[in-house]
Amino acid sequence: DAGVTQSPTHLIKTRGQQVTLRCSPKSGHDTVSWYQQALGQGPQFIFQYYEEEERQRGNFPDRFSGHQFPNYSSELNVNALLLGDSALYLCASSSGQGDEQYFGPGTRLTVT
Amino acid sequence: TQLLEQSPQFLSIQEGENLTVYCNSSSVFSSLQWYRQEPGEGPVLLVTVVTGGEVKKLKRLTFQFGDARKDSSLHITAAQPGDTGLYLCAGVRNFNKFYFGSGTKLNVKP
Repeated sequence: DAGVTQSPTHLIKTRGQQVTLRCSPKSGHDTVSWYQQALGQGPQFIFQYYEEEERQRGNFPDRFSGHQFPNYSSELNVNALLLGDSALYLCASSSGQGDEQYFGPGTRLTVT
Repeated sequence: TQLLEQSPQFLSIQEGENLTVYCNSSSVFSSLQWYRQEPGEGPVLLVTVVTGGEVKKLKRLTFQFGDARKDSSLHITAAQPGDTGLYLCAGVRNFNKFYFGSGTKLNVKP
């Protein structure tokens, strides 16, 4: 049974560019949440998708957007990248209203 | 500003010692979770506490949720090198919105 998978593992982008990160949830899970984890900090909640709609959103600008597909996989898009967007981006999946989240290994984004 | 404050930020102890990590907030949470994260990996859920005053034990780890559901503690007895990692608390509010603390980095020396 595959857990949460994320791609790519690492990514280097230049300021002003756009990036798309991908996440496949654990089998049987229908809810995907995205987090940003800066070095030495705890994860910060970006948003959560359920039934292909954004259900909750944290304090992140509109440059951060997402999508959930019918197979429950999800994408995180970040436009107009800033140096401060450099971080580990984590995806977590859960089931419906359950609060047990399973995290993927993350995508390390470096903006130069 | 972090909704949840964790202390201490760093902890370096010898194998066999006991330790306590604290997670405090002025906000009430519907539940609180503890995770452990190792380098290059995502956080792994250790426990969820739901009821004020609840105490849960997981082998040498004891978790407590404050009576007012605003704070929590994690106590490790006889720490081992395998306990080394980043310990994160996360409070749940507003229908599955998770607020993480900044973490406690634990190093257990053999």
